[in-house]
Amino acid sequence: DSGVTQTPKHLITATGQRVTLRCSPRSGDLSVYWYQQSLDQGLQFLIQYYNGEERAKGNILERFSAQQFPDLHSELNLSSLELGDSALYFCASSVGQGSSPLHFGNGTRLTVT
Amino acid sequence: GQSLEQPSEVTAVEGAIVQINCTYQTSGFYGLSWYQQHDGGAPTFLSYNALDGLEETGRFSSFLSRSDSYGYLLLQELQMKDSASYFCAVRDDSDSWGKLQFGAGTQVVVTP
Repeated sequence: DSGVTQTPKHLITATGQRVTLRCSPRSGDLSVYWYQQSLDQGLQFLIQYYNGEERAKGNILERFSAQQFPDLHSELNLSSLELGDSALYFCASSVGQGSSPLHFGNGTRLTVT
Repeated sequence: GQSLEQPSEVTAVEGAIVQINCTYQTSGFYGLSWYQQHDGGAPTFLSYNALDGLEETGRFSSFLSRSDSYGYLLLQELQMKDSASYFCAVRDDSDSWGKLQFGAGTQVVVTP
């Protein structure tokens, strides 16, 4: 158990809809990262937060947004969903940045129909 | 920008040794990491190399050559449970806080 909690585990929704994925980082970790993993693909970096502030951005679509709250939990919002957004979305946390290893949650499997 | 290259798949028998190579291109460099992911599961951290040389952790070792922009993960005494995808990752601190970028992953298949 990594100590990172993601909810929900599974999400099935229709095209055009909006969903929110939630992540609680490991106790003491200030950095939260979001990754997208499509079928048989690698981990695509979306966005990173550190202590409530956005610190790095990857190839995150404009339809996607995220935030980290004062209690350090984070939410990833996906809107105007398309079939191609179906993927496993992972949240990870670390103490800081630099060499700190990432601890991943079990992911949220999103299916867009 | 960054890019990482690693083989897509490696097959080996139980007890064998497997080496997964990773070459990277990045404008800045702050170490090479390795993660393991079993099918559908969460990636887990295996190792981190910031300096040249070999780091050993049990049956797994990781090597880095910064001058060659190259590293590898060595899996020894392969076990069936080692069947998984292995990702190399680099952190590029040329931007503000060093996002961790992953390679496409190498699927290791261990056969009896």
